[in-house]
Amino acid sequence: GNSVTQMEGPVTLSEEAFLTINCTYTATGYPSLFWYVQYPGEGLQLLLKATKADDKGSNKGFEATYRKETTSFHLEKGSVQVSDSAVYFCALHSNYQLIWGAGTKLIIKP
Amino acid sequence: AAGVIQSPRHLIKEKRETATLKCYPIPRHDTVYWYQQGPGQDPQFLISFYEKMQSDKGSIPDRFSAQQFSDYHSELNMSSLELGDSALYFCASSLGVVTGTSNTEAFFGQGTRLTVV
Repeated sequence: GNSVTQMEGPVTLSEEAFLTINCTYTATGYPSLFWYVQYPGEGLQLLLKATKADDKGSNKGFEATYRKETTSFHLEKGSVQVSDSAVYFCALHSNYQLIWGAGTKLIIKP
Repeated sequence: AAGVIQSPRHLIKEKRETATLKCYPIPRHDTVYWYQQGPGQDPQFLISFYEKMQSDKGSIPDRFSAQQFSDYHSELNMSSLELGDSALYFCASSLGVVTGTSNTEAFFGQGTRLTVV
């Protein structure tokens, strides 16, 4: 079946550090891939998405590239800020469902 | 732009009581999804509806039921509440069926935080 695996957290970084949160998936066909972010006490927000192989989603300095050959959709940001502290969820869309990763808590220290 | 509206935002119920959560999708969206997110957990899919018909079912307890109405809003009915039902309940909506090659995406509401005491 379809599944998403993302790196365990928490991930703790200093401000302006480079961020990578790994996400790999298992799916039949070519699902759309997403990163959602959940700030403390808030709901889920779509951060970025990619709908086909080699697509790059980007938003707020975050990027992720849909890699079909490695079935990956790693989230990256060149210089993180304290305000990026949140939980990040990788997800794929398949047949009316969002299949979620377990979430990675990101803590950015000033 | 209009977003997904959930009500209430917060709800406190006692054990064995019932609760009804409401979800108003983005206008023209015909698909609604319900998720449950326990503390520190990833969202768990409960159930979804497409064009007022149940389209998929996840880990929804038998004590829960849901439906989508003619105006596409959806309600999640929860009976015989248990302490373990305390969670954040998200509703999401999308336009059309989400397939591997579609550009469809789901938009989430702010969630209803249910506390069972």
